[in-house]
Amino acid sequence: GAVVSQHPSWVICKSGTSVKIECRSLDFQATTMFWYRQFPKQSLMLMATSNEGSKATYEQGVEKDKFLINHASLTLSTLTVTSAHPEDSSFYICSAREGESAEAFFGQGTRLTVV
Amino acid sequence: QKEVEQNSGPLSVPEGAIASLNCTYSDRVSQSFFWYRQYSGKSPELIMSIYSNGDKEDGRFTAQLNKASQYVSLLIRDSQPSDSATYLCAVNRQDYGQNFVFGPGTRLSVLP
Repeated sequence: GAVVSQHPSWVICKSGTSVKIECRSLDFQATTMFWYRQFPKQSLMLMATSNEGSKATYEQGVEKDKFLINHASLTLSTLTVTSAHPEDSSFYICSAREGESAEAFFGQGTRLTVV
Repeated sequence: QKEVEQNSGPLSVPEGAIASLNCTYSDRVSQSFFWYRQYSGKSPELIMSIYSNGDKEDGRFTAQLNKASQYVSLLIRDSQPSDSATYLCAVNRQDYGQNFVFGPGTRLSVLP
């Protein structure tokens, strides 16, 4: 399958700081990228959907000013968690796909711990 | 009714048995269906995709789709302990743009 690279795989940051997570499609052009959050023993929660060159569509309850998503190119999307707090500690996962009916492939995930 | 529903499990089967995972979806215009496997602490990986009614086989995995019943299933033959994971069903609704919806997942435990 196609390769989606997510970086970093884990990060620890201080409360109040911002953290940027990158998601890259390595061998295909990702027309759509998805960002998820997953708490322990819970299912994936979609945070937002982004299409290249346009603003992300956020799910209800997700603060767009706190979770900044940029999908500036067909191979790169970034999620910035601004002013992080301990309750933002979670497993963040991106996925990407090429075309409307295509499969989505996942990055390795980023485990964020805010102390 | 949730868009994509799965039994949360855990579903326990003995090694060598057939594991049957089920998924129902509410939107009739859904056209693409996917099964993902997620090991604890890891991100999901794609196992199967299915687009038309009937069965699709890939190794020990068989996906079954019945659009009239809005039902998709995954069969795992000769289950192995390494198959123990959470299995996620995903549905794509093309007429809503690019809406890709996951079910909550079914936790499978294969007992040696």
